[in-house]
Amino acid sequence: AQTVTQSQPEMSVQEAETVTLSCTYDTSENNYYLFWYKQPPSRQMILVIRQEAYKQQNATENRFSVNFQKAAKSFSLKISDSQLGDTAMYFCAWRIQHAGSARQLTFGSGTQLTVLP
Amino acid sequence: GAVVSQHPSRVICKSGTSVKIECRSLDFQATTMFWYRQFPKQSLMLMATSNEGSKATYEQGVEKDKFLINHASLTLSTLTVTSAHPEDSSFYICSAETLEQETQYFGPGTRLLVL
Repeated sequence: AQTVTQSQPEMSVQEAETVTLSCTYDTSENNYYLFWYKQPPSRQMILVIRQEAYKQQNATENRFSVNFQKAAKSFSLKISDSQLGDTAMYFCAWRIQHAGSARQLTFGSGTQLTVLP
Repeated sequence: GAVVSQHPSRVICKSGTSVKIECRSLDFQATTMFWYRQFPKQSLMLMATSNEGSKATYEQGVEKDKFLINHASLTLSTLTVTSAHPEDSSFYICSAETLEQETQYFGPGTRLLVL
């Protein structure tokens, strides 16, 4: 069974600073996706970034970037120039890549990030 | 794009009544929708996977007769909590996915309180 581990239950960062959230996973599959979702106080789950395992290049979305280390099964999220609106619970998630069929997400336990003014 | 709505956003009901929650994909056709339950400060717990036109697949420990799921069209899935009890009080979230995107997009959630 696949597992996703987020070892940092809580983190804080000063506004405008950079912070990195950790995520490790365990799988025997070779083709899969990894995601970071954020859940602000409104509790709306928002997709932050997606990484395809077959791509060596790390995904980036504006201030958000990942460090994907497939061999180490590590998928960390870096947030640059942190903003107050980045305060949220961040979930790392794994999904098998299976064309033609939807598959379940396996979530980590989440990291509560607080951006301090 | 990829907007998912949920209705109602919050509902309060009496013990023993049934509550229906709707999940709609507004700008895409969702071949699959998922229903989750989330307790405070915890991760999402998958309850069931629903494919349009077929029966939902429930996770172990989720009562099928308690949580009725219908996925009648490519843009609508409903979750009915039957004979609700206080222990069913929770935050319920749906998500939708297309075969092409292979990415789940989430609704805003429904807060259910059973008195």
